[in-house]
Amino acid sequence: DTAVSQTPKYLVTQMGNDKSIKCEQNLGHDTMYWYKQDSKKFLKIMFSYNNKELIINETVPNRFSPKSPDKAHLNLHINSLELGDSAVYFCASSQGPGYEKLFFGSGTQLSVL
Amino acid sequence: AQSVTQPDIHITVSEGASLELRCNYSYGATPYLFWYVQSPGQGLQLLLKYFSGDTLVQGIKGFEAEFKRSQSSFNLRKPSVHWSDAAEYFCAVGGKRGAAGNKLTFGGGTRVLVKP
Repeated sequence: DTAVSQTPKYLVTQMGNDKSIKCEQNLGHDTMYWYKQDSKKFLKIMFSYNNKELIINETVPNRFSPKSPDKAHLNLHINSLELGDSAVYFCASSQGPGYEKLFFGSGTQLSVL
Repeated sequence: AQSVTQPDIHITVSEGASLELRCNYSYGATPYLFWYVQSPGQGLQLLLKYFSGDTLVQGIKGFEAEFKRSQSSFNLRKPSVHWSDAAEYFCAVGGKRGAAGNKLTFGGGTRVLVKP
């Protein structure tokens, strides 16, 4: 069983569209994250939820909206997609907000045309 | 603000040779340090971490890292590289363990290529 799974793996879309990426973890962890990895491989945190509550919200355009229906799921919705949103988006989870060990999903490659 | 620098973007090493990846960090308090590995098309996997205590930490896959406070470094080493070690390696620094709202800051990564 995959510990942290995210779908879709690849997402190709036009500028201006709205899209969602889903993430689920079956590890029983309390904390989940979204990270963005740009074309130069820099990995930067976007959001973190602990028990469905937002605890980290980096300087991210408000076109990005995370949603956590329960502590096993953290979805990322992106409105009005722009070319600069093209990146690999990683979901991750950890036992607690101290991120002793992050478990990462395999990533979603988003390409905005 | 915390930051991580990995000076080497690419390293090529022969199979069986030793490997050392450099990591320098900037953090105002006691850092929590991590090394992650990313294989092609995969998410990141934790290799090892340092919170306190012995400054030489052992990790999975035969990797170790040494914390040197005086040099603000946390270099990763492996005595003998295997072809399967070809991947991207990320160093990361974080703040107080367990504190809500803390986050990891990652370096830019070092890509390791292994020659037969």
